Amino acid sequence: DIQMTQSPSSLSASVGDRVTITCRASQGIDIYLNWYQQKPGKAPKLLIYAASSLQSGVPSRFSGSGSGTDFTLTISSLQPEDFATYYCQQSFSTPMYTFGQGTKLDVK
Amino acid sequence: HLQLQESGPGLVKPSETLSLTCTVSGGSINHENYYWSWIRQPPGKGLEWIGSTYYTGSTYHNPALKSRVTISGDTAKNQFSLKLSSVTAADTAVYYCARYELTVEVAATGGFDYWGQGTLVTVSS
Repeated sequence: DIQMTQSPSSLSASVGDRVTITCRASQGIDIYLNWYQQKPGKAPKLLIYAASSLQSGVPSRFSGSGSGTDFTLTISSLQPEDFATYYCQQSFSTPMYTFGQGTKLDVK
Repeated sequence: HLQLQESGPGLVKPSETLSLTCTVSGGSINHENYYWSWIRQPPGKGLEWIGSTYYTGSTYHNPALKSRVTISGDTAKNQFSLKLSSVTAADTAVYYCARYELTVEVAATGGFDYWGQGTLVTVSS
């Protein structure tokens, strides 16, 4: 099984901050990595697919990078609506998927 | 516009079988570029992939759930279903159905791009 580990588990930041979340795979997964945002009581929303491709309709302040085992999600200038929990998910072993444990981003 | 909607009992007794259906509207499940999946989230915890079905009828499930999972698709009704047997309190969760898009233009992979709203299933006597 491919394990996904996110860091940090929680993060406090302010509006306007640049924020980076890291995801590490237990083995190389090329660029088969997606990022999601989830707000309380809502279904997750796809932000980034294939490590760095921005999903349609997602603001350009979100970006993703990485390949192999190490990946990052960056929010260039945090907006009030960005406070949420973020998950990475590998699809290297499609159709068997694994999510990271999540990173909760809250207000400092 | 694609929509997914979960339906099924919100309360299941321990040792019984949890059964949910996902009804898809605005698009067909009979398409080679998508896996139709179930994902769950225990209260206050993270996301866990349960399993997926493909238009060919092939199904896949999370090994951690062993043989308790049965997933099936009904192309005539444009639905897919989940059965989870021998449930315990640990199976209490919000259950989501979602579509996984295999490829997007030239990208190597897509993602879970459409989700249902989720349905809370509580396991309790």
